[in-house]
Amino acid sequence: DTGVSQDPRHKITKRGQNVTFRCDPISEHNRLYWYRQTLGQGPEFLTYFQNEAQLEKSRLLSDRFSAERPKGSFSTLEIQRTEQGDSAMYLCASSSLAGGPHNEQFFGPGTRLTVL
Amino acid sequence: RKEVEQDPGPFNVPEGATVAFNCTYSNSASQSFFWYRQDCRKEPKLLMSVYSSGNEDGRFTAQLNRASQYISLLIRDSKLSDSATYLCVVTTNTGGFKTIFGAGTRLFVKA
Repeated sequence: DTGVSQDPRHKITKRGQNVTFRCDPISEHNRLYWYRQTLGQGPEFLTYFQNEAQLEKSRLLSDRFSAERPKGSFSTLEIQRTEQGDSAMYLCASSSLAGGPHNEQFFGPGTRLTVL
Repeated sequence: RKEVEQDPGPFNVPEGATVAFNCTYSNSASQSFFWYRQDCRKEPKLLMSVYSSGNEDGRFTAQLNRASQYISLLIRDSKLSDSATYLCVVTTNTGGFKTIFGAGTRLFVKA
């Protein structure tokens, strides 16, 4: 399977714990995006990488959130001191640099986070 | 006002019907436009890009009206398998890059 993969698919944690999610984009894609989606809403943009550079961060990404893409391939999203409001589906997407600015994004299956 | 607005529906239509969804966006400098489809508890999947000249892919037609800042999706001859949530997506790169999703329009196609 050469699509976007995410790990884990589900995570249940207690409030105050730290969690880390991983995303492996489509191999030739330079751009990688993180989104958060809650029930009944569309995905909300969190951050965006072009290769290893983090070029944009949403104001939704509080100080408790950090994302990295150290070698321009896979990315991690860490949430520190989780709160119940962090419960959501965290989606990763990737796109190719070729073909114009921010063209079609391909999504992974998501990591569903539940904070108890 | 939300940056991208869609009628949440649900739209309940019989098989074979034609159904149209509209989406409005607030930033006139928006650059790229897409329709995505999302099935229950699944990730969004690209349905089609939307171009100023309009574009068609089988039973699906998308239109962009930059002057009025809306995009539309028309589905002809609806199938049961078209039942899903349709997400309108707009990207901008002014004052920083953003991809903005609408909240989605739910479609139920019934036999």
